[in-house]
Amino acid sequence: AQSVTQLDSQVPVFEEAPVELRCNYSSSVSVYLFWYVQYPNQGLQLLLKYLSGSTLVESINGFEAEFNKSQTSFHLRKPSVHISDTAEYFCAVSDKGAQKLVFGQGTRLTINP
Amino acid sequence: NAGVMQNPRHLVRRRGQEARLRCSPMKGHSHVYWYRQLPEEGLKFMVYLQKENIIDESGMPKERFSAEFPKEGPSILRIQQVVRGDSAAYFCASSPLQPNTEAFFGQGTRLTVV
Repeated sequence: AQSVTQLDSQVPVFEEAPVELRCNYSSSVSVYLFWYVQYPNQGLQLLLKYLSGSTLVESINGFEAEFNKSQTSFHLRKPSVHISDTAEYFCAVSDKGAQKLVFGQGTRLTINP
Repeated sequence: NAGVMQNPRHLVRRRGQEARLRCSPMKGHSHVYWYRQLPEEGLKFMVYLQKENIIDESGMPKERFSAEFPKEGPSILRIQQVVRGDSAAYFCASSPLQPNTEAFFGQGTRLTVV
């Protein structure tokens, strides 16, 4: 069975500081990997995804994540955060060919001015 | 192209009542998923449906919960005889492709059982 572990439940950082949200997964088969962002009282929005090809994927708002197969990780990074990045971030995995996402428990990113 | 539409956004039910949650997928999407988010937890898969078919219900509780996606109309998640432990946010997602390479989520229905 697949599982996703987000190692930090909360991450407080100062504005303009770099941040890394950690995600590790376990799976016996090839996977797709996703990061979703959830703003307060909103649904989930896809931030970025890894399906195949380059192991480094980027979002339009400055986030990036790198798929590391040997370490089974898909950590999310941003070199300089903004107040508007305050949200909960969920890492998710899906078997290639499967139809459901398995989510981690989420990391609450809090940006302090 | 409207996104995934869920209604109601908030639903309050007394213990023992029925809750009906609706989800209209994005136009052109024929794959619908339901997830439940309990307080302070991540989302947990409940059920995957295509039009008129339940494909995977491995995450559905065995009793009181049912889901459908009729030929016409929205997908419905029904919870009979609700209990306090059913209080959660229920999210619907849809995708156009198989396998699931991207799911688009609705804003959720927050169910409170009093």
